[in-house]
Amino acid sequence: KQEVTQIPAALSVPEGENLVLNCSFTDSAIYNLQWFRQDPGKGLTSLLLIQSSQREQTSGRLNASLDKSSGRSTLYIAASQPGDSATYLCAVTSGTYKYIFGTGTRLKVLA
Amino acid sequence: ETGVTQSPTHLIKTRGQQVTLRCSSQSGHNTVSWYQQALGQGPQFIFQYYREEENGRGNFPPRFSGLQFPNYSSELNVNALELDDSALYLCASSSPLDWGSTDTQYFGPGTRLTVL
Repeated sequence: KQEVTQIPAALSVPEGENLVLNCSFTDSAIYNLQWFRQDPGKGLTSLLLIQSSQREQTSGRLNASLDKSSGRSTLYIAASQPGDSATYLCAVTSGTYKYIFGTGTRLKVLA
Repeated sequence: ETGVTQSPTHLIKTRGQQVTLRCSSQSGHNTVSWYQQALGQGPQFIFQYYREEENGRGNFPPRFSGLQFPNYSSELNVNALELDDSALYLCASSSPLDWGSTDTQYFGPGTRLTVL
């Protein structure tokens, strides 16, 4: 059974810091891994999608890496801003047409 | 192209009541998935509908049921509501053409259900 874990559960950093969010999964047989952002009480916004054959994806200040063999992904946020404050969720798909999510990392960037 | 929409935005019910949540899929998508997200948790897969048929189900009791209509919109019905059913309910639409290539689902804004 696939399980997804995110560490840390919460993170508070001063504005301008570079930070790394971690995601681990127990079954390496995934199709892809996706990082989402969720603002309080809102739906999910897709940030980056990494196919199982890829090692990383970049979008602006965000960079996500994937190491399937070790069951790990990291989301790197450069030069953090208060507007980055949100919960970040990672999810994997394994060809069963559903996402399996982690519990998220709550990020607060202090001005 | 319109995105995924859900209604209502918020809903308050009491224990034992029944509720129906609605979802309109993104244009061109014939697959809808439903997720339950309890406070402080990640979303949990409830079930998926493809061409009006259930196409996979998570670990939820039978009082959670669904429908998909010919226009691919969908309903989630929950009977005999319990306090633990209080959550954000998310629907996501996708196209089978994407599975195996991008496996991408597009999420709606969610319906916040409170059970008192």
